[in-house]
Amino acid sequence: DTEVTQTPKHLVMGMTNKKSLKCEQHMGHRAMYWYKQKAKKPPELMFVYSYEKLSINESVPSRFSPECPNSSLLNLHLHALQPEDSALYLCASSQVLAKSWEQFFGPGTRLTVL
Amino acid sequence: AQSVSQHNHHVILSEAASLELGCNYSYGGTVNLFWYVQYPGQHLQLLLKYFSGDPLVKGIKGFEAEFIKSKFSFNLRKPSVQWSDTAEYFCAVNANFGNEKLTFGTGTRLTIIP
Repeated sequence: DTEVTQTPKHLVMGMTNKKSLKCEQHMGHRAMYWYKQKAKKPPELMFVYSYEKLSINESVPSRFSPECPNSSLLNLHLHALQPEDSALYLCASSQVLAKSWEQFFGPGTRLTVL
Repeated sequence: AQSVSQHNHHVILSEAASLELGCNYSYGGTVNLFWYVQYPGQHLQLLLKYFSGDPLVKGIKGFEAEFIKSKFSFNLRKPSVQWSDTAEYFCAVNANFGNEKLTFGTGTRLTIIP
């Protein structure tokens, strides 16, 4: 299984809503990532988890709250978002400190904030 | 800090033409280099990667890239493009000391005219 899955595919939420994005992989990878991608732009790193611990936070606003409950799952909790947070949110996973390291990406969740 | 630049923002070619997309990175140490492709409506996929050894690397779908250390470049090539190569292409780099941070270039949109 070389797949990263993400749910939901699409999400529309109001600025007062609380929602969560989910990501799952079963490749035994111990690093997992959240990226934000705006239209016609490259992915921007938000968070990195390594061995289920947050290792990188790219100064992301606190209205985005990541969680890694186990080595296969990664969540992104959303609260009080702004319309400018509308984007494609990508999850990725990789081995840690491996010679043939590469990141495998999921299909993304298309988020619209009204 | 590492950075990546892709000078070609939008490239339009006819089928069977040869392709070269430029990628330059800025980092003083050893790097891992990647090319990812994002087909319309699909998730990011790895085309090829360079870690060490032969600077000419071959990837999927007939793509190849050459790492030229003296020029800090990792250009992507394909001798004869097809309409199905229409996509967004991202060059990416990560510092080769176990840092999981992957930095993407701004991307090149490739349009192939049948």
